[in-house]
Amino acid sequence: KAGVTQTPRYLIKTRGQQVTLSCSPISGHRSVSWYQQTPGQGLQFLFEYFSETQRNKGNFPGRFSGRQFSNSRSEMNVSTLELGDSALYLCASNSGSNTEAFFGQGTRLTVV
Amino acid sequence: DQQVKQNSPSLSVQEGRISILNCDYTNSMFDYFLWYKKYPAEGPTFLISISSIKDKNEDGRFTVFLNKSAKHLSLHIVPSQPGDSAVYFCAASGGRGNQFYFGTGTSLTVIP
Repeated sequence: KAGVTQTPRYLIKTRGQQVTLSCSPISGHRSVSWYQQTPGQGLQFLFEYFSETQRNKGNFPGRFSGRQFSNSRSEMNVSTLELGDSALYLCASNSGSNTEAFFGQGTRLTVV
Repeated sequence: DQQVKQNSPSLSVQEGRISILNCDYTNSMFDYFLWYKKYPAEGPTFLISISSIKDKNEDGRFTVFLNKSAKHLSLHIVPSQPGDSAVYFCAASGGRGNQFYFGTGTSLTVIP
């Protein structure tokens, strides 16, 4: 069974640009969550999608948005990039509530 | 507001000895707890989990203990091996959905 796949692995963007990251969950998993990891901050929850609906949202500005498609694949978009958005963005999928989340390799975003 | 805390940023242990990683949480609604292992530039790898109805869960060399009254959990690795050297994150969730709250991680070094 294939794991969680995130594309691209690395991105360099300029301040003010926008970016879209993609995540394909494990087959059969309907829940997809996104996290931001920065040095010293651990993993911060961005949002969770289940059956194409946002079910939970973390404390991030509206510049961060996401969506989920009918095949459970998810995309995350960040508009008007700021230097502080440089981070490792991780996607995770679950088979249900109170089950372990399986993470992808992440997308390393650098904003210059 | 850090609801899950790992107060030890780093830990060094001799090969063959026990590694004990600690985690504290503040939210009494959390009912599911997990430990993840992470290497740089990779996604976290699930290690072990525990539900709030149990106080101990074992999987090979890894044992997680949960003390609900103290809002504390710990991960024991016995015996420790050099390949265990990584950053360990504890995470917690509760309620609807799959929003996990992560600690800031403990970097474990196992010395051969």
